[in-house]
Amino acid sequence: KAGVTQTPRYLIKTRGQQVTLSCSPISGHRSVSWYQQTPGQGLQFLFEYFSETQRNKGNFPGRFSGRQFSNSRSEMNVSTLELGDSALYLCASSTGLGGLDTQYFGPGTRLTVL
Amino acid sequence: KQEVTQIPAALSVPEGENLVLNCSFTDSAIYNLQWFRQDPGKGLTSLLLIQSSQREQTSGRLNASLDKSSGRSTLYIAASQPGDSATYLCAVGPNTGNQFYFGTGTSLTVIP
Repeated sequence: KAGVTQTPRYLIKTRGQQVTLSCSPISGHRSVSWYQQTPGQGLQFLFEYFSETQRNKGNFPGRFSGRQFSNSRSEMNVSTLELGDSALYLCASSTGLGGLDTQYFGPGTRLTVL
Repeated sequence: KQEVTQIPAALSVPEGENLVLNCSFTDSAIYNLQWFRQDPGKGLTSLLLIQSSQREQTSGRLNASLDKSSGRSTLYIAASQPGDSATYLCAVGPNTGNQFYFGTGTSLTVIP
């Protein structure tokens, strides 16, 4: 079974630009979660999508948004990039049905904002 | 807001030792807790998932325990190997969704 894939793996952008990251979950998984990982703040939850609906949202500004498609693939968008948005962005997929619902993480997208 | 703390931040042990990693959380109203490992430059790998109604989970040389009332979890690694070297993260889930609060991790080095 293929794992979680994220594209692109690396991105370099400049301040003020916007960026779209993509995540393809494991086949059959309906939940996709996004996290930001930085050396200073560690791993912070951004949002979770389940069956095309945002189910949970972390404490990030409105510049961070996401969506999920009918095939469970998800995208996240960051507008008006700031230097502090430089981070590793990780997505995770799971069945989303609760209980012993293990999360499977992708390798991440490394975003650098100059 | 849930705060998750992991102590120590770094740990170095000789191969073959048994070791314990600690995780504490401030809000005991959790749904589940997961332990992950992260290798440099890579994503996370789930090791063990404990539901709030459970006391422990075991997988091979790993055993995770959960004491919800005291806000603590431990990850026990038996007979450590150099391949166990990684950063270990615990994450607390407050509800049935997948919004997890992560600790800052313990960086483990197992010396051959």
